[in-house]
Amino acid sequence: DARVTQTPRHKVTEMGQEVTMRCQPILGHNTVFWYRQTMMQGLELLAYFRNRAPLDDSGMPKDRFSAEMPDATLATLKIQPSEPRDSAVYFCASGLTLRTDTQYFGPGTRLTVL
Amino acid sequence: AQKVTQAQTEISVVEKEDVTLDCVYETRDTTYYLFWYKQPPSGELVFLIRRNSFDEQNEISGRYSWNFQKSTSSFNFTITASQVVDSAVYFCALSEDQAGTALIFGKGTTLSVSS
Repeated sequence: DARVTQTPRHKVTEMGQEVTMRCQPILGHNTVFWYRQTMMQGLELLAYFRNRAPLDDSGMPKDRFSAEMPDATLATLKIQPSEPRDSAVYFCASGLTLRTDTQYFGPGTRLTVL
Repeated sequence: AQKVTQAQTEISVVEKEDVTLDCVYETRDTTYYLFWYKQPPSGELVFLIRRNSFDEQNEISGRYSWNFQKSTSSFNFTITASQVVDSAVYFCALSEDQAGTALIFGKGTTLSVSS
């Protein structure tokens, strides 16, 4: 049963610290998405990749967020420095750029910035 | 601009009742995809269904059914004979023709089913 995995599942940190979240997409999937879920904004796109190339990161605060795919099995989302308003659940999703176009989500990383 | 509206913020029903979750979307594309995801209390997002804009056939899967109507830009979701395990937040989402584009989510409908 192929699944998207995310680590860590929970992270509590202090304001100003660096946070790195990791995602392993489903093997063979070539698109990876990062979403953030908050009570106020709901689910919103931060960035996405196709074949490891970033296609859209317009949803990310550029000064503190960065997203990369060092290889096809790993996507990272980094926040430096973190702020309390970054507290949210961060989801990674993967999919195929075929007509199916269905995204499968990981379990999320719940981030709390104190 | 793309937009998904789920006007029902919260719905409460008693077990065995039927319940319909509404979803209205806006898009300029002629080819697009609509989705429903379920987010149970555990927090994960579970894919339920995907529909493309050229397929208006309604779909039934067990107690779940979906009614897609392009004329009203709606993609409603009905749960028949609801169960406590159906309690969750349900999200409707839209993506446009370009393969691999991101999902635009509605705000979600929280469904509470009591016994």
